[in-house]
Amino acid sequence: SQKIEQNSEALNIQEGKTATLTCNYTNYSPAYLQWYRQDPGRGPVFLLLIRENEKEKRKERLKVTFDTTLKQSLFHITASQPADSATYLCALDRDSSASKIIFGSGTRLSIRP
Amino acid sequence: GAGVSQTPSNKVTEKGKYVELRCDPISGHTALYWYRQSLGQGPEFLIYFQGTGAADDSGLPNDRFFAVRPEGSVSTLKIQRTERGDSAVYLCASSSHDQETQYFGPGTRLLVL
Repeated sequence: SQKIEQNSEALNIQEGKTATLTCNYTNYSPAYLQWYRQDPGRGPVFLLLIRENEKEKRKERLKVTFDTTLKQSLFHITASQPADSATYLCALDRDSSASKIIFGSGTRLSIRP
Repeated sequence: GAGVSQTPSNKVTEKGKYVELRCDPISGHTALYWYRQSLGQGPEFLIYFQGTGAADDSGLPNDRFFAVRPEGSVSTLKIQRTERGDSAVYLCASSSHDQETQYFGPGTRLLVL
């Protein structure tokens, strides 16, 4: 079965810098990979989806890359702001026969002013 | 429009008791998911409904857990003979037919004493 690895250590970034979060997976390449944001006491909120045939996707200050050779996705937040502080979850399809997703444990991002 | 709602927001119960957690998905969403999230972890898949039927219940930890969605809209997660290890946040999500992007509710925080 698929496994996801996200850096469990919190990432602390100075405001204005680019934050980069990593998601690594084992086994087969998923059909797509998603990134969610989760604030304390709230449910995850969908941010971006990237498909296996896409190398990069952008949405405003967010950029996601997908490298099926390295089995890795990178999530970038440019010009980071304190309001970007949250936990960011990587998610991908659970197995090759299903469209349901599994989540990584998330990386907590803290942007200091 | 209204998002996914879950009730109650918090539930405290005693070991051995029965609890029901309710989820109201986004109107028109045919897919509904239940997840369980422990502190510092990502959401863990429990069960997935497509319409009224449970398309995949492989994530339910044991037969004390059961979920229904009788009319293809509201779903109830039922836990019998609760144990302290059942304490967690129970998240519900819904999605449209493409089953890729999921919209989460705020969760129900269950504490079993």
